[in-house]
Amino acid sequence: GAVVSQHPSWVICKSGTSVKIECRSLDFQATTMFWYRQFPKQSLMLMATSNEGSKATYEQGVEKDKFLINHASLTLSTLTVTSAHPEDSSFYICSARAGIPGSSNYGYTFGSGTRLTVV
Amino acid sequence: DAKTTQPNSMESNEEEPVHLPCNHSTISGTDYIHWYRQLPSQGPEYVIHGLTSNVNNRMASLAIAEDRKSSTLILHRATLRDAAVYYCIKNRDDKIIFGKGTRLHILP
Repeated sequence: GAVVSQHPSWVICKSGTSVKIECRSLDFQATTMFWYRQFPKQSLMLMATSNEGSKATYEQGVEKDKFLINHASLTLSTLTVTSAHPEDSSFYICSARAGIPGSSNYGYTFGSGTRLTVV
Repeated sequence: DAKTTQPNSMESNEEEPVHLPCNHSTISGTDYIHWYRQLPSQGPEYVIHGLTSNVNNRMASLAIAEDRKSSTLILHRATLRDAAVYYCIKNRDDKIIFGKGTRLHILP
């Protein structure tokens, strides 16, 4: 089945520094990937849609200059949290769509998430 | 509007069937119904999806109402490993918006 690998699984960084999170589709090509963040006891919140070879589409209220998304290839999207602050501490999850609607292998595959702690 | 309505939480005994309901009254004709589940500190995991007909796979069954305004995820024999938050989502091959989901507790 479709596998999405997310790295790192956890990271601790100092306030003011930047952190990059990678999301790779291992056995399929993903023209579109999605980035979510999740606070404790809450649901996933969509941050942006990452499109291969073009600019990401950000959801309302998400700062595009703070959360930089790059989708330079069909198997890799990266999320960079710039000038991180403690309030950016969260669980970040990526996702990619695989297969064709109605086919047995259709679905959205999620990475295992990255726990970011900013100190 | 990508919202669906699910109970906040449910309980079930181990080795018994579980029926997780979902209302999606604003569903359009081309929206698929997806179910995902999330275990603690993990990314969501695909469970099942369907359009109009009931669907079965090795994990679960999906029963879709005739008017498609509701569906039920059926776990035939719950185990402790099925304890998770279950999300019901209607989607038209674009971004997935998560609701609050149903937190399923399995009692040993």
